[in-house]
Amino acid sequence: KQEVTQIPAALSVPEGENLVLNCSFTDSAIYNLQWFRQDPGKGLTSLLLIQSSQREQTSGRLNASLDKSSGRSTLYIAASQPGDSATYLCAVSLSGTASKLTFGTGTRLQVTL
Amino acid sequence: DGGITQSPKYLFRKEGQNVTLSCEQNLNHDAMYWYRQDPGQGLRLIYYSQIVNDFQKGDIAEGYSVSREKKESFPLTVTSAQKNPTAFYLCASSRGLAGGPMGEQFFGPGTRLTVL
Repeated sequence: KQEVTQIPAALSVPEGENLVLNCSFTDSAIYNLQWFRQDPGKGLTSLLLIQSSQREQTSGRLNASLDKSSGRSTLYIAASQPGDSATYLCAVSLSGTASKLTFGTGTRLQVTL
Repeated sequence: DGGITQSPKYLFRKEGQNVTLSCEQNLNHDAMYWYRQDPGQGLRLIYYSQIVNDFQKGDIAEGYSVSREKKESFPLTVTSAQKNPTAFYLCASSRGLAGGPMGEQFFGPGTRLTVL
């Protein structure tokens, strides 16, 4: 059974810092890994999707990497801003499955002034 | 604007009542999903549908029912058999299978259900 873990559960950094969020998964037979952002009481916003054949994806100040063999992904946020404060979730899908993403419990990020 | 809408945003239910949560998408996506989110837990899949008139149970389907009569719509009914229905419910869609090249999922804004 696929399990997804995100550490730390919460993180507070001052504005302007670069930071890394971690995601690990137990079954390396993944097809996609997706990073999401969730603001309090809101739905999820897709940030980046990495397919298993890729090693990284970039969007603006965000860079996500994937190491399938070690079961790890990182989300790098450059020059953090207070508007980046949210919960960040990673999720994986297994190859060939129609059904679902398996989610981690998220990292709650606070960027302070 | 393309997207996913869910209604209502907040829903209150008395014990013993069935309630239906609406999910509509205009992204022309084939697959749709319902997740439940509880504090301190990851999202859990309730039901999913790959195409019209077909749907499958997810990990926690007991006490829930769905229909998929139109491509755009995937309503979720929370029945009185669901023992602990208070939660945040999220609907999602994707062009294709979760485990395939078109599996990127997009989410609606959610419905918060509270049982009184």
